[in-house]
Amino acid sequence: DGGITQSPKYLFRKEGQNVTLSCEQNLNHDAMYWYRQDPGQGLRLIYYSQIVNDFQKGDIAEGYSVSREKKESFPLTVTSAQKNPTAFYLCASSISRGQGPTEAFFGQGTRLTVV
Amino acid sequence: AQSVTQLGSHVSVSEGALVLLRCNYSSSVPPYLFWYVQYPNQGLQLLLKYTSAATLVKGINGFEAEFKKSETSFHLTKPSAHMSDAAEYFCAVSHQGGKLIFGQGTELSVKP
Repeated sequence: DGGITQSPKYLFRKEGQNVTLSCEQNLNHDAMYWYRQDPGQGLRLIYYSQIVNDFQKGDIAEGYSVSREKKESFPLTVTSAQKNPTAFYLCASSISRGQGPTEAFFGQGTRLTVV
Repeated sequence: AQSVTQLGSHVSVSEGALVLLRCNYSSSVPPYLFWYVQYPNQGLQLLLKYTSAATLVKGINGFEAEFKKSETSFHLTKPSAHMSDAAEYFCAVSHQGGKLIFGQGTELSVKP
C-alpha cells in the first residue's frame, strides 16, 4: 500500500529537549514538505525538499531542522530553540517539481505537546 | 507572491442544504488551485484540483468548484450537505507544481 507514514502519532517533549518526527513515503515522490498546523492559522510551511540532499526553509523554519539523505525519508527535528512547539505537524510529498498541478499527499500527522 | 483567502472560518448548514465555501486567490501567474478536507486529528485529503482544462471541476463526495479568473475565486460547493461532510476545508494555491500555500481553513458544521 503506497502512502506517507508519520510517527509517532503523539509525542511529548520536555522543556529544552530536542525531538525528531519521522516521515517516510513509498510513493517514489521527489518533493517532501513539513507543515505546522495551529488552530485558526491554517498550515504553515516549515521546510521543503525537492531532491535528495537539498532542502529549503519555508515561512517558519526557526527552531527546526531537517535532513534529506534518502528519497523516501524527511525527518523533522524540533529543537530547544523553538519556543512554542506545541502543534500538529503534517508531512506531505508530491510527485515532482515544475510539472503542472501536482497535488500533495499527506501523512496522518504527529501531535507534539510540551510538558 | 501567491496567497489564498478563505472567507469565513466557520460555516454552519443544515443537512440537505447547499454548501458554499469561499476561496479567493492572489497570483501573478496562472495558478494551480486545490481544495483539501481534514477530519479531526487526521491528515489532509484532496477533494479536487484546478488544472486549467475546465473551469468547473468535479471532485470526490459530490463536491465541485468553479474557477473564475475575473473574480480570482475558486469557491467550493455541494448541492446537498450530509452529516459526514462536517470537517475542516482548506483551499490552496501553487505555481508550477511547487509548494502549496494554504488558506486559513473553514470549519463546516452540519446540523441535523
